Amino acid sequence: GAGVSQSPSNKVTEKGKDVELRCDPISGHTALYWYRQRLGQGLEFLIYFQGNSAPDKSGLPSDRFSAERTGESVSTLTIQRTQQEDSAVYLCASTPASGSNTGELFFGEGSRLTVL
Amino acid sequence: KNQVEQSPQSLIILEGKNCTLQCNYTVSPFSNLRWYKQDTGRGPVSLTIMTFSENTKSNGRYTATLDADTKQSSLHITASQLSDSASYICVVSAVTGGFKTIFGAGTRLFVKA
Repeated sequence: GAGVSQSPSNKVTEKGKDVELRCDPISGHTALYWYRQRLGQGLEFLIYFQGNSAPDKSGLPSDRFSAERTGESVSTLTIQRTQQEDSAVYLCASTPASGSNTGELFFGEGSRLTVL
Repeated sequence: KNQVEQSPQSLIILEGKNCTLQCNYTVSPFSNLRWYKQDTGRGPVSLTIMTFSENTKSNGRYTATLDADTKQSSLHITASQLSDSASYICVVSAVTGGFKTIFGAGTRLFVKA
């Protein structure tokens, strides 16, 4: 597609359930980021994938959060045993190879997660 | 510690007026600074990018400035429109074997008729 695609756009779940969020980056973009944005707040870095290198997981808030990416394709962010505090918009962004890019992040529209 | 601080947190202006948003950073080694616009319920979109050697850059009614010595940037919006209501996020990239991006918390701008 032309842009970063995220699904689902909205997800309502019950506390304690697991959720999986998907991100389709722009074709050819080797770097992929996940961010969390709580209502009225700034973006919190969660995890960064760059090609086949080990991901930077330094932003994951707890071991309930995990993410995977196969090569330079789709990524999934999984939240296990969801808590109400996990309610937020989860934004995915991709960017071209670091050797040629200017650091611009291309964002998807986000997945809004509501934990009841 | 790499940080990006923005001010004000929020701002209300009348349609047609100008405004200036501020960004101070302590990021090194500095690569570039971007301003993003985030409409409500949407993902952020890049407005401008500035590298170390650039002092000012315009994109329509948006003009960004950069003072690399004082590590300050501003985003000036001229003749504001209702559609300018959004969050404006300052993002600074550091070159550390790849690009590390540090986000400011954003300034929430409300333009009223």
